[in-house]
Amino acid sequence: DQQVKQNSPSLSVQEGRISILNCDYTNSMFDYFLWYKKYPAEGPTFLISISSIKDKNEDGRFTVFLNKSAKHLSLHIVPSQPGDSAVYFCAAKGYSGNQFYFGTGTSLTVIP
Amino acid sequence: GAVVSQHPSRVICKSGTSVKIECRSLDFQATTMFWYRQFPKQSLMLMATSNEGSKATYEQGVEKDKFLINHASLTLSTLTVTSAHPEDSSFYICSASPLQGQQYFGPGTRLTVT
Repeated sequence: DQQVKQNSPSLSVQEGRISILNCDYTNSMFDYFLWYKKYPAEGPTFLISISSIKDKNEDGRFTVFLNKSAKHLSLHIVPSQPGDSAVYFCAAKGYSGNQFYFGTGTSLTVIP
Repeated sequence: GAVVSQHPSRVICKSGTSVKIECRSLDFQATTMFWYRQFPKQSLMLMATSNEGSKATYEQGVEKDKFLINHASLTLSTLTVTSAHPEDSSFYICSASPLQGQQYFGPGTRLTVT
Protein backbone atom coordinates (compact mmCIF):
# COMPACT_ATOMS: atom_id res chain seq x y z
CA ASP A 1 0.00 0.00 0.00
CA GLN A 2 1.53 3.26 -1.16
CA GLN A 3 1.36 5.65 1.79
CA VAL A 4 2.99 8.51 -0.09
CA LYS A 5 1.79 9.30 -3.58
CA GLN A 6 2.93 11.57 -6.35
CA ASN A 7 0.21 11.44 -8.95
CA SER A 8 2.06 13.32 -11.67
CA PRO A 9 4.84 11.20 -13.13
CA SER A 10 6.17 14.10 -15.18
CA LEU A 11 6.05 17.88 -15.45
CA SER A 12 7.45 20.31 -18.03
CA VAL A 13 7.97 23.97 -17.26
CA GLN A 14 9.53 26.88 -19.12
CA GLU A 15 12.72 28.31 -17.68
CA GLY A 16 11.96 31.19 -15.34
CA ARG A 17 8.45 30.03 -14.52
CA ILE A 18 7.25 28.31 -11.37
CA SER A 19 7.39 24.53 -10.98
CA ILE A 20 4.87 23.01 -8.58
CA LEU A 21 5.30 19.40 -7.57
CA ASN A 22 2.60 17.73 -5.50
CA CYS A 23 2.56 14.91 -3.00
CA ASP A 24 -0.23 13.28 -1.00
CA TYR A 25 0.01 10.97 1.98
CA THR A 26 -2.41 8.77 3.85
CA ASN A 27 -0.83 8.19 7.25
CA SER A 28 -1.74 10.87 9.79
CA MET A 29 1.15 9.71 12.00
CA PHE A 30 3.72 11.17 9.61
CA ASP A 31 5.32 14.20 11.22
CA TYR A 32 8.30 15.02 9.02
CA PHE A 33 8.35 15.47 5.28
CA LEU A 34 11.20 15.85 2.85
CA TRP A 35 11.86 16.42 -0.81
CA TYR A 36 14.75 14.73 -2.56
CA LYS A 37 16.15 15.40 -6.01
CA LYS A 38 17.58 12.58 -8.07
CA TYR A 39 19.59 12.57 -11.27
CA PRO A 40 19.83 9.39 -13.37
CA ALA A 41 22.28 6.80 -12.01
CA GLU A 42 22.85 8.80 -8.84
CA GLY A 43 21.51 8.57 -5.31
CA PRO A 44 18.88 11.06 -4.14
CA THR A 45 20.08 14.28 -2.58
CA PHE A 46 18.22 16.14 0.11
CA LEU A 47 16.51 19.33 -1.00
CA ILE A 48 14.22 20.69 1.70
CA SER A 49 12.14 19.45 4.60
CA ILE A 50 9.24 20.50 6.79
CA SER A 51 7.94 19.29 10.11
CA SER A 52 4.28 18.88 10.85
CA ILE A 53 4.25 21.88 13.20
CA LYS A 54 4.83 24.19 10.25
CA ASP A 55 2.90 24.85 7.07
CA LYS A 56 5.66 26.45 5.06
CA ASN A 57 9.42 26.28 4.79
CA GLU A 58 11.47 28.32 2.37
CA ASP A 59 15.05 27.91 1.22
CA GLY A 60 16.12 30.12 -1.64
CA ARG A 61 14.19 29.19 -4.77
CA PHE A 62 12.56 26.23 -3.04
CA THR A 63 9.47 26.40 -0.84
CA VAL A 64 7.59 23.49 0.64
CA PHE A 65 3.98 23.87 1.73
CA LEU A 66 2.22 21.44 4.04
CA ASN A 67 -1.55 21.13 4.37
CA LYS A 68 -2.10 18.66 7.18
CA SER A 69 -5.87 18.60 6.95
CA ALA A 70 -5.64 17.62 3.30
CA LYS A 71 -2.59 15.41 3.88
CA HIS A 72 -0.92 17.21 1.03
CA LEU A 73 2.42 18.84 0.47
CA SER A 74 3.87 20.65 -2.46
CA LEU A 75 7.24 21.88 -3.60
CA HIS A 76 7.49 25.19 -5.42
CA ILE A 77 10.57 26.07 -7.42
CA VAL A 78 10.78 29.63 -8.65
CA PRO A 79 12.30 30.65 -10.92
CA SER A 80 12.84 27.25 -12.51
CA GLN A 81 16.22 26.62 -14.11
CA PRO A 82 17.32 23.96 -16.62
CA GLY A 83 19.59 22.48 -13.93
CA ASP A 84 16.49 21.72 -11.89
CA SER A 85 15.55 19.02 -14.41
CA ALA A 86 15.56 15.80 -12.38
CA VAL A 87 13.25 13.37 -10.64
CA TYR A 88 11.83 14.70 -7.40
CA PHE A 89 10.74 12.37 -4.63
CA CYS A 90 8.73 13.37 -1.61
CA ALA A 91 9.20 11.34 1.54
CA ALA A 92 7.52 11.10 4.91
CA LYS A 93 8.60 9.86 8.30
CA GLY A 94 6.66 8.91 11.39
CA TYR A 95 7.08 10.09 14.98
CA SER A 96 9.39 7.24 15.86
CA GLY A 97 11.95 5.23 13.97
CA ASN A 98 14.03 6.13 10.99
CA GLN A 99 12.01 4.59 8.19
CA PHE A 100 11.12 6.95 5.38
CA TYR A 101 8.28 6.34 2.96
CA PHE A 102 8.87 7.58 -0.57
CA GLY A 103 6.53 8.66 -3.30
CA THR A 104 6.88 7.37 -6.84
CA GLY A 105 8.64 10.48 -8.07
CA THR A 106 7.90 13.27 -10.54
CA SER A 107 10.23 13.87 -13.45
CA LEU A 108 10.66 17.62 -13.91
CA THR A 109 11.91 19.02 -17.20
CA VAL A 110 12.73 22.71 -17.34
CA ILE A 111 12.79 23.89 -20.92
CA PRO A 112 15.34 26.60 -21.73
CA GLY B 1 27.07 17.66 4.83
CA ALA B 2 27.16 13.97 5.57
CA VAL B 3 28.67 11.70 2.93
CA VAL B 4 27.71 8.14 2.13
CA SER B 5 29.71 6.14 -0.36
CA GLN B 6 28.87 2.95 -2.23
CA HIS B 7 31.18 0.53 -3.93
CA PRO B 8 31.16 -0.53 -6.67
CA SER B 9 29.22 2.02 -8.68
CA ARG B 10 28.62 -0.46 -11.48
CA VAL B 11 28.99 -4.22 -11.61
CA ILE B 12 28.27 -6.82 -14.24
CA CYS B 13 28.16 -10.43 -13.18
CA LYS B 14 27.14 -13.76 -14.61
CA SER B 15 23.96 -15.52 -13.60
CA GLY B 16 24.51 -17.73 -10.57
CA THR B 17 27.33 -15.74 -9.04
CA SER B 18 27.19 -13.55 -5.95
CA VAL B 19 27.87 -9.84 -5.73
CA LYS B 20 28.71 -7.75 -2.68
CA ILE B 21 27.89 -4.06 -2.46
CA GLU B 22 29.41 -1.90 0.25
CA CYS B 23 27.84 1.16 1.85
CA ARG B 24 29.94 3.41 4.05
CA SER B 25 29.15 6.52 6.06
CA LEU B 26 32.31 8.60 5.74
CA ASP B 27 31.95 11.32 8.34
CA PHE B 28 29.36 10.10 10.80
CA GLN B 29 28.36 6.98 12.62
CA ALA B 30 25.24 5.38 11.28
CA THR B 31 23.24 3.35 13.74
CA THR B 32 20.81 2.50 10.97
CA MET B 33 21.35 1.89 7.29
CA PHE B 34 18.74 1.21 4.65
CA TRP B 35 18.92 -0.64 1.37
CA TYR B 36 16.68 0.38 -1.51
CA ARG B 37 16.12 -0.89 -4.98
CA GLN B 38 14.92 1.20 -7.87
CA PHE B 39 13.50 -0.15 -11.10
CA PRO B 40 13.36 2.09 -14.16
CA LYS B 41 10.78 4.85 -13.79
CA GLN B 42 9.71 3.55 -10.40
CA SER B 43 10.00 4.68 -6.85
CA LEU B 44 12.62 3.67 -4.36
CA MET B 45 11.60 0.36 -2.85
CA LEU B 46 12.85 -0.25 0.66
CA MET B 47 14.36 -3.71 0.85
CA ALA B 48 15.65 -3.86 4.39
CA THR B 49 16.67 -1.90 7.43
CA SER B 50 20.00 -2.76 8.94
CA ASN B 51 20.96 -1.90 12.51
CA GLU B 52 24.54 -2.15 13.67
CA GLY B 53 25.22 -5.34 15.55
CA SER B 54 21.85 -6.94 14.95
CA LYS B 55 19.98 -8.75 12.22
CA ALA B 56 18.48 -6.78 9.38
CA THR B 57 14.74 -6.30 9.13
CA TYR B 58 13.49 -7.22 5.69
CA GLU B 59 10.44 -5.80 3.99
CA GLN B 60 7.68 -8.13 2.91
CA GLY B 61 8.51 -9.95 -0.27
CA VAL B 62 12.29 -9.52 0.01
CA GLU B 63 14.12 -12.82 0.34
CA LYS B 64 16.56 -12.56 3.23
CA ASP B 65 18.52 -15.59 2.07
CA LYS B 66 19.03 -14.02 -1.33
CA PHE B 67 19.85 -10.50 -0.18
CA LEU B 68 22.28 -10.91 2.70
CA ILE B 69 22.86 -7.81 4.77
CA ASN B 70 25.65 -7.35 7.26
CA HIS B 71 26.08 -4.19 9.37
CA ALA B 72 29.23 -5.05 11.23
CA SER B 73 30.25 -1.54 12.24
CA LEU B 74 28.76 1.92 12.65
CA THR B 75 30.19 2.98 9.29
CA LEU B 76 29.77 -0.05 7.05
CA SER B 77 26.89 -2.13 5.79
CA THR B 78 27.11 -4.68 3.00
CA LEU B 79 24.47 -6.16 0.73
CA THR B 80 25.30 -9.45 -0.94
CA VAL B 81 23.10 -10.59 -3.80
CA THR B 82 23.52 -14.35 -3.80
CA SER B 83 23.04 -16.55 -6.85
CA ALA B 84 22.14 -13.52 -8.92
CA HIS B 85 19.73 -13.83 -11.82
CA PRO B 86 18.91 -11.39 -14.62
CA GLU B 87 15.77 -10.27 -12.78
CA ASP B 88 18.00 -9.01 -9.97
CA SER B 89 19.45 -6.43 -12.35
CA SER B 90 18.58 -3.08 -10.86
CA PHE B 91 19.88 0.09 -9.26
CA TYR B 92 20.63 -0.49 -5.58
CA ILE B 93 20.90 2.50 -3.27
CA CYS B 94 21.86 2.58 0.39
CA SER B 95 21.21 5.31 2.89
CA ALA B 96 22.60 5.91 6.33
CA SER B 97 20.98 7.62 9.23
CA PRO B 98 22.50 9.10 12.36
CA LEU B 99 20.38 8.48 15.42
CA GLN B 100 16.95 9.98 14.72
CA GLY B 101 18.47 12.02 11.91
CA GLN B 102 17.84 12.52 8.25
CA GLN B 103 18.73 9.87 5.73
CA TYR B 104 21.80 10.44 3.59
CA PHE B 105 21.95 8.49 0.37
CA GLY B 106 24.81 6.82 -1.37
CA PRO B 107 25.38 7.30 -5.11
CA GLY B 108 23.90 3.92 -5.97
CA THR B 109 25.17 0.73 -7.59
CA ARG B 110 24.02 -0.41 -11.01
CA LEU B 111 23.92 -4.22 -11.06
CA THR B 112 23.61 -6.03 -14.37
CA VAL B 113 23.30 -9.81 -14.34
CA THR B 114 23.95 -11.48 -17.67
